[in-house]
Amino acid sequence: GESVGLHLPTLSVQEGDNSIINCAYSNSASDYFIWYKQESGKGPQFIIDIRSNMDKRQGQRVTVLLNKTVKHLSLQIAATQPGDSAVYFCAENLSGYGNKLVFGAGTILRVKS
Amino acid sequence: DAGITQSPRHKVTETGTPVTLRCHQTENHRYMYWYRQDPGHGLRLIHYSYGVKDTDKGEVSDGYSVSRSKTEDFLLTLESATSSQTSVYFCAISELGRGYTEAFFGQGTRLTVV
Repeated sequence: GESVGLHLPTLSVQEGDNSIINCAYSNSASDYFIWYKQESGKGPQFIIDIRSNMDKRQGQRVTVLLNKTVKHLSLQIAATQPGDSAVYFCAENLSGYGNKLVFGAGTILRVKS
Repeated sequence: DAGITQSPRHKVTETGTPVTLRCHQTENHRYMYWYRQDPGHGLRLIHYSYGVKDTDKGEVSDGYSVSRSKTEDFLLTLESATSSQTSVYFCAISELGRGYTEAFFGQGTRLTVV
């Protein structure tokens, strides 16, 4: 089975609110994590990444939190906009396995205007 | 955009026929990946490569084989296509492990097996 994420949930938020998307991973050997955004008909696009020696990283309107104790990642999007509507995937990298990059099932984010 | 080209972009084939999808990169990245994406699922890893002639299986490798004879090309072959292999296939490239950079994706190949 998949080691990152188990479901494809949907998160609906009001425009301007903050969004939090969660992801669980199961491999403690993973040392690098990436969040991707995928819009309909397109390939995934990079949002933000974090190494396993960090617990927080901030970008423009986005923050990723890593909790290695419970093997949990979250993506926070501030002031969510209609253009943020997409499917969001977390991915874990296992550098000890030839950099095997494994994705979770994804979360659908719907932004209501 | 990263220099990744998938071909063909769309293909319809009959059950039992062989199919080869090509991923071509101009970035000289070491790592290349093939994923499939189905409704309600994330991207599931089929095979990946960590160098020329160095490949390994992913989560859903049954029914697929790959080859990488040069850095820029990673081929995915369905020896005998089945309807369950109808999917969208994505290729990705990365230099993960060398400064921990992201993986870049191609635009996808929509394969329909009838």
